[in-house]
Amino acid sequence: SQKIEQNSEALNIQEGKTATLTCNYTNYSPAYLQWYRQDPGRGPVFLLLIRENEKEKRKERLKVTFDTTLKQSLFHITASQPADSATYLCALSTGGFKTIFGAGTRLFVKA
Amino acid sequence: DGGITQSPKYLFRKEGQNVTLSCEQNLNHDAMYWYRQDPGQGLRLIYYSQIVNDFQKGDIAEGYSVSREKKESFPLTVTSAQKNPTAFYLCASSLSGEVSTEAFFGQGTRLTVV
Repeated sequence: SQKIEQNSEALNIQEGKTATLTCNYTNYSPAYLQWYRQDPGRGPVFLLLIRENEKEKRKERLKVTFDTTLKQSLFHITASQPADSATYLCALSTGGFKTIFGAGTRLFVKA
Repeated sequence: DGGITQSPKYLFRKEGQNVTLSCEQNLNHDAMYWYRQDPGQGLRLIYYSQIVNDFQKGDIAEGYSVSREKKESFPLTVTSAQKNPTAFYLCASSLSGEVSTEAFFGQGTRLTVV
């Protein structure tokens, strides 16, 4: 069956360190992958999109990698800050309207 | 400000009642979506619409209905046939449903059955 998995355990890191979140998928051939940030009680906010023919995408302190062989995406936040504390959602799309979301990983950055 | 607005933020429903959740966008987006979010689960697609006067069922459409009479508006009705409606509902829009574009989400409506 098709699955998209994110670590359900919260990630706790110290301010200034790099946070790395993982998104694994099975039985998909995604055309592109997106990462969103969601704060409690709020809607997700788009962060980055990476296409299947791209290995890496960067935006300020954020970096996303996409390995279609391993069927995995890694999401990095460098020089993390307490304000980065949130839930981060991975989303896959095989093209067209259908986007499949993971359950998200909670990140806590301690000052 | 351009954006997508959901209302109300909190909604309480009695057993057997239908309720309608509002979603309006002024982004001039063609595609609009309704998702349901439950604790520990990913967003699940209820309905989507790629163009005015057209909409399609998503993965969990049973017990829900929608309309798309205007480009800006995509209301969701939770009917009494939906057996477990308590959840966080999210509306989203994107420029087109056919190309890889980011989705813009509303702030959500938390529906509770009392």
